[in-house]
Amino acid sequence: KNEVEQSPQNLTAQEGEFITINCSYSVGISALHWLQQHPGGGIVSLFMLSSGKKKHGRLIATINIQEKHSSLHITASHPRDSAVYICAVVGSQGNLIFGKGTKLSVKP
Amino acid sequence: ETGVTQSPTHLIKTRGQQVTLRCSSQSGHNTVSWYQQALGQGPQFIFQYYREEENGRGNFPPRFSGLQFPNYSSELNVNALELDDSALYLCASSSETGGTGELFFGEGSRLTVL
Repeated sequence: KNEVEQSPQNLTAQEGEFITINCSYSVGISALHWLQQHPGGGIVSLFMLSSGKKKHGRLIATINIQEKHSSLHITASHPRDSAVYICAVVGSQGNLIFGKGTKLSVKP
Repeated sequence: ETGVTQSPTHLIKTRGQQVTLRCSSQSGHNTVSWYQQALGQGPQFIFQYYREEENGRGNFPPRFSGLQFPNYSSELNVNALELDDSALYLCASSSETGGTGELFFGEGSRLTVL
C-alpha cells in the first residue's frame, strides 16, 4: 500500500462543475503540498498546508490531521484547469512523498 | 515562470553511460531537492541538498549522486545508466529545508536510456 493515496485517479468534468480530489496518507507529516503538473512535466505549487484550510481564487484546500486526509476543491471548473493534480506529504526526513496524481480533464 | 531552470530539457543516452543534469535555483533559495518521475507515476525523492551538504536521501543507489554549489545551483549525476533510469528528472528549490517552505519546480529533464 502506498503511503499517499489519491482518488480518483482520473476525473472528467464539464466546464462549471465543482471538483473534489482526495488525498489520504498513512505516515506522520509536518506539512502537505498540493501540486499541479501540466503535460510536458512542469510542476507548480498550489498550496502548502499544515492545518485547516487555504483558498486561492477558485481553489480551496483543506486538511484534517487527525483523519490523515486532505481535499483539493476547484469551483467553477474551466478547461484550463485540465492537468494532473498531485498530493505530496512531507516525511520524517523533510523529503516529499508523492501520490500518483489525479488526471483532471475539464470539457467545454 | 518559477525561476528554476533545468538543463538539458531532453537527452538520450545508452546503457552504461553517465549523465549530468543541472538545476539553477531561484535566487536566495538554499535548499534543492531532486526527484525521478517515471511515466504515469508520481515523483520519487532522490535527495536533498542544503547549503552544499546532502541532508536527506531516498531509496536510490549510490550511482545517483549530487552536488550543490555556493551559488545554490545543483547537479544530479547518474553513473552506469540502466534502462529503468529513463524518466523525467525534476529539481525543486526552496528557501526552507524540511519541506515546509513553498517549492519552486523546474520544467524537468527527460532522460531516455536505450
